[in-house]
Amino acid sequence: GAGVSQSPRYKVAKRGQDVALRCDPISGHVSLFWYQQALGQGPEFLTYFQNEAQLDKSGLPSDRFFAERPEGSVSTLKIQRTQQEDSAVYLCASSSQGTNYGYTFGSGTRLTVV
Amino acid sequence: AQSVTQLGSHVSVSEGALVLLRCNYSSSVPPYLFWYVQYPNQGLQLLLKYTTGATLVKGINGFEAEFKKSETSFHLTKPSAHMSDAAEYFCAVSDSGANSKLTFGKGITLSVRP
Repeated sequence: GAGVSQSPRYKVAKRGQDVALRCDPISGHVSLFWYQQALGQGPEFLTYFQNEAQLDKSGLPSDRFFAERPEGSVSTLKIQRTQQEDSAVYLCASSSQGTNYGYTFGSGTRLTVV
Repeated sequence: AQSVTQLGSHVSVSEGALVLLRCNYSSSVPPYLFWYVQYPNQGLQLLLKYTTGATLVKGINGFEAEFKKSETSFHLTKPSAHMSDAAEYFCAVSDSGANSKLTFGKGITLSVRP
């Protein structure tokens, strides 16, 4: 596609519910990043994929957070047993390996845990 | 470890006035520096970046920024504000290249008065 697509745009989850957030990167982009943006804050790094390999997951806040990119294209961020502090906008970004351009962000998924 | 400081959370200027948004960074290696803009309910859009070379960087929409190593600063400026510049602006730093993990500041909301 022309840009990075994220779905759903909005998600309301009851505390304790599991959620799955989807990211469709730009076709052919090797690198894929997930960031978490709490209200009034800058985005914070969660995890990074190069193709299907998860090379850095140092930003995942707990073992309730899990990300995958099984075929090196679409990625899913899963949050188990959601808690109120998980409420945030989850941003996905992708880039071409070997370019100096920087990466392209999607519009994000706004997760509200009630 | 890297960090970014954006002093103040809100800047208000009159239409046609100079825009100055401040950013100071901390990095143990030569940094890559970025400014992103975020409009309501949208993802982040790259305004400009500094990687190597010329320290005065020009970006989109008439914005520019100057990398000053001695001051560890990368302030964003625009000579004449336009109403459409009202948005949130984030400064970010990476120590590993333009396609690597970014550390963001908390952001500054720019308001433009008619």
